[in-house]
Amino acid sequence: DAGVTQSPTHLIKTRGQQVTLRCSPKSGHDTVSWYQQALGQGPQFIFQYYEEEERQRGNFPDRFSGHQFPNYSSELNVNALLLGDSALYLCASSHGLAFSNEQFFGPGTRLTVL
Amino acid sequence: GEDVEQSLFLSVREGDSSVINCTYTDSSSTYLYWYKQEPGAGLQLLTYIFSNMDMKQDQRLTVLLNKKDKHLSLRIADTQTGDSAIYFCAEGAGNMLTFGGGTRLMVKP
Repeated sequence: DAGVTQSPTHLIKTRGQQVTLRCSPKSGHDTVSWYQQALGQGPQFIFQYYEEEERQRGNFPDRFSGHQFPNYSSELNVNALLLGDSALYLCASSHGLAFSNEQFFGPGTRLTVL
Repeated sequence: GEDVEQSLFLSVREGDSSVINCTYTDSSSTYLYWYKQEPGAGLQLLTYIFSNMDMKQDQRLTVLLNKKDKHLSLRIADTQTGDSAIYFCAEGAGNMLTFGGGTRLMVKP
């Protein structure tokens, strides 16, 4: 079992560009959540996908969008990048939407915006 | 809104106990969690406690919950150098987790 995988591991972009980050959930999981972790801070919830629909969303602007595919993998898209978008982006997967379901985190994609 | 706070840093000697504290504000939280993050790695779930429990023990880990004061603690017994990491508490309502800023635990040999 490969666990949660994310690609790429590192990415450098310039202000105004667009970026797409990818996540494959742990085998057997169908729910994917995305978090942004700025340097020295705790992760902040961006949104969650289940059955190819966005189910919950944190306090992030519309520049952040996502998608979930039929195989449960997911993409996070960020448009019009700002310097403040530089962070570690974490993907977490779980099975279903129950409160008690453990979320397994991937190693993250480190995005640097210059 | 929700807010989860932790102290920034804790230093202990190998073999001692470590106690990491956390306060939260959302009384509707169903579960409270402790995660561990090592350099360059994602988050690893250590343990969690349901909001109607006071205590949970799992090997070297003991979680205490004071729901009245909205205070959560994680005690690590016989702390080892491999326990050096950043520890995050998080509260959950639904599948959305709200994390604290993390406590960096340094274990000295």
